[in-house]
Amino acid sequence: SAVISQKPSRDICQRGTSLTIQCQVDSQVTMMFWYRQQPGQSLTLIATANQGSEATYESGFVIDKFPISRPNLTFSTLTVSNMSPEDSSIYLCSVPQTSNYGYTFGSGTRLTVV
Amino acid sequence: GQQLNQSPQSMFIQEGEDVSMNCTSSSIFNTWLWYKQDPGEGPVLLIALYKAGELTSNGRLTAQFGITRKDSFLNISASIPSDVGIYFCAGRRTTDSWGKLQFGAGTQVVVTP
Repeated sequence: SAVISQKPSRDICQRGTSLTIQCQVDSQVTMMFWYRQQPGQSLTLIATANQGSEATYESGFVIDKFPISRPNLTFSTLTVSNMSPEDSSIYLCSVPQTSNYGYTFGSGTRLTVV
Repeated sequence: GQQLNQSPQSMFIQEGEDVSMNCTSSSIFNTWLWYKQDPGEGPVLLIALYKAGELTSNGRLTAQFGITRKDSFLNISASIPSDVGIYFCAGRRTTDSWGKLQFGAGTQVVVTP
């Protein structure tokens, strides 16, 4: 399975600022996915990021709030813009596993907005 | 929104006991996945299921893809302290694009010596 390096692992940010989260994969992958996990909750897909095209956002998530970059097949960033305390969550990137139809997740970025 | 109903929400068990949890949905899924998440980590895939009726084991873990394609269960036999964590079911519906997973709310497992 692919190995994902995600950073930062955690951050405390002031409301109104933005944070960019990076996801580096040790192999080339066509699709990368960004999930949000609110405190004590399950995971919700934010968007799918394909290299060379605009990210596809799920209902309830918009590009202005969560811009995504996918400059190559091993890297992606998610920015959480104009943050409010409601954005406090764990943000995770994920890629398909080559050996089966499962998905590998990064260790997550724990974001606290104060 | 969340499509999967996962139960129980939490379990407090003694070491050596078996654990059972399940997920149900009103939608048909073509893939069922079971993940474990430890504190401060991302979910780690335990078992993947692809066919209705499929029964798959991974060590002390056994999972089944329900025959109706709307449910799945996970069993952990002879629990040990390192089984502590949150277990999530996840599924991909036949109508969803590649990569979009629906996640259950999770089952918190606590194992006492």
